[in-house]
Amino acid sequence: DAKTTQPNSMESNEEEPVHLPCNHSTISGTDYIHWYRQLPSQGPEYVIHGLTSNVNNRMASLAIAEDRKSSTLILHRATLRDAAVYYCILPSVAGGTSYGKLTFGQGTILTVHP
Amino acid sequence: NAGVMQNPRHLVRRRGQEARLRCSPMKGHSHVYWYRQLPEEGLKFMVYLQKENIIDESGMPKERFSAEFPKEGPSILRIQQVVRGDSAAYFCASWSGSSYNEQFFGPGTRLTVL
Repeated sequence: DAKTTQPNSMESNEEEPVHLPCNHSTISGTDYIHWYRQLPSQGPEYVIHGLTSNVNNRMASLAIAEDRKSSTLILHRATLRDAAVYYCILPSVAGGTSYGKLTFGQGTILTVHP
Repeated sequence: NAGVMQNPRHLVRRRGQEARLRCSPMKGHSHVYWYRQLPEEGLKFMVYLQKENIIDESGMPKERFSAEFPKEGPSILRIQQVVRGDSAAYFCASWSGSSYNEQFFGPGTRLTVL
C-alpha cells in the first residue's frame, strides 16, 4: 500500500477554516486519495476522495497537488462536531483495479476550540 | 436505504466463550471488510470478503478467528475461546466495488472479555 504521512495533531477555532495536510510521495498514477474521519466512539465516516482534480462536497474540499505527492483536506468553517481523527488513505490496488482495503495510519487528531 | 448495520452493539463474554459479530452491508453491496480497533490504537484491517468468498484474510489472527459472508444473510465474524486481548471495537465496512465509491462503516460492536 502507498504510505501517507500526516501531522499527529492540529488545532483550530470554531468557525475558522482548517487545512489538514497529507504527504503521499510514493503514490502511483491509479491511486485514489481518500479521507475518512472518526468521531469519538463512532465508526469511521467517509469525507471525500479524489484522483487528480480538486474536489468539493458538502463536508469539505480536497486540494491535490499537481504532482499528486501531497493533498490537503479543507474544512471551510470548523465546528465543534468536526473534532475527530482524520485519516488520509490510499486504498489498496490489485491488478490495476481498486481493491478497497483501507490501511489506517495514526491520522491527525483535530481539536476545535469554541 | 438503511446504512451498514452491526449487531450486537455491545457484547460481553467471559474468557473461553465464543463471540459472534454480525454485519449487514448496504443494499446492493457485495464487498465487506472487517476492521479491529484495540483500546487507544488505530484501526487495523482484518479480512475482506465478497459474497461467499474470502478475498484477503491477511489481517486475521491465525487461530480462533474466522469470517464468512454467505449468499444470504449477514457477514459473521466469529471469535472462538475469547481472551481478554480480544476486547476491542470491531467495525465492518461495506463497498460497492467501484473505485468511484467510498466505503460505508457500521457503528461497530464493542466486545468486552471478562
